[in-house]
Formats: sequence, C-alpha cells, structure tokens
Amino acid sequence: QSVLTQPPSASGPPGQRVTISCSGSSSNIGTNSVIWYQQLPGAAPKLLIYRSNQRPSGVPDRFSGSKSGTSASLAISGLQSADEADYYCAAWDASLNGVVFGGGTKLTVL
Amino acid sequence: EVQLVESGGGLVQPGGSLRLYCAASGFTFSSYWMHWVRQVPGKGLVWVSRISTDETTSSHADSVKGRLTISRDNARNTLYLQMDSLKVEDTAVYYCARAASGTRNSLEVWGQGTMVTVSS
Repeated sequence: QSVLTQPPSASGPPGQRVTISCSGSSSNIGTNSVIWYQQLPGAAPKLLIYRSNQRPSGVPDRFSGSKSGTSASLAISGLQSADEADYYCAAWDASLNGVVFGGGTKLTVL
Repeated sequence: EVQLVESGGGLVQPGGSLRLYCAASGFTFSSYWMHWVRQVPGKGLVWVSRISTDETTSSHADSVKGRLTISRDNARNTLYLQMDSLKVEDTAVYYCARAASGTRNSLEVWGQGTMVTVSS
C-alpha cells in the first residue's frame, strides 16, 4: 500500500493527451513539491518533473506537471509510442521523515 | 560523464549482512544529497534512505530503520549502504541516486542497480 495513490494504468492513442493523477495528504503533497519519474522497461528511473512543474533540461515540453492542494498530476501531450513506460510520483513526507512514492502508473500507447 | 555505479549485491541468507557500494564519477560528489531506492522486479519504487552532503543528516524508511544504514566517503566519492539483519523482504534491486543541484529529493542521476537476494 503506497502512501501516494496513482491509478495502476492509463492509455491513449498516439498524438493524444493523457493525464496521470497522484493523490497524497497534507504531510506530503500538501506541503512539499511533487516529483515525477519515468521508468522505461528494463531501465533505471528518469527524472521527469521536479518542484511540481519544473522540467530538467532535455525533457520535452510535452511533459508537464501541476499540483493543487494534496493532489498532483502529470500531463503528457502528443503521445508517442516511446512514452510507454511506468510513471511514478514522489514527495517528501514530513510525518514519515522520508520520501514516499506512488505505486506507479503503467502507460500504454494504443 | 556523470555516472553512478553500484556493486556489492548478491545472495545472502536471512539474518546475514551485505554492504552495497556506489561509485560516483563525473561530478563533485560532496556537493549533492544522495539516496538509495529499491525495487522488487516487476513492482514499484520504494525509497530506502538519504544522506546530506556532509553526512551530518540521514534518514531511513521505517521498514529498514536499525538494519540498513547509509553513509558516504566524500574523499573516495563513494556512497554506502550497510545491510544487517537482512530479511527475505529486503530482496530487490537497489539503486543509488543523486539529487538534482539545489534539491534534496529530486533524483536526477541513477545507477544501473545491484540485485540483492535474501534467501536460505
């Protein structure tokens, strides 16, 4: 049981826009920034979004993050087959004094 | 090239010990917060621990507190995870990761992972 809640799966056809939600609480998302990772099959995770809506250099602007209250979301526009991966949200939890992850969302490009 | 290379994984019996290593290169190791994250193959990411740049501050997940201990040697550009009293449920791929500049928890650089199997 993950502290942050994500849907287990998401899907969309090429070119479409998909959003992945991440729900937390006041001790994590409510007071700290959200981080998103992409993990391609067989690879280590890759930082996608940090400080809730900032993209590291090299991450396409098709990926965007937002946060409101105790929830956050990752939006991917112009879906490509290369986007098929697992996506994880994360945040610092002040009550647990540790980083908490969501359970991950498997994205399928139809 | 910025790189993290883990080593030290392997097969160990329940109750045994193991020490993981993470060799850093291509950046000023002492300037970054470092973490360990684990993943059971086919399952999700689980945070294990983090350590500050100067080793004065560290945190561990409740599930490993008192058994797994993070440390670092800035002179050797190496991160460690001392694993004692290992349990079957500690079986996972262990990744070391570096936080992004100016952050403590946004993990920008990851190693390839090292597999730890706890089994009799």
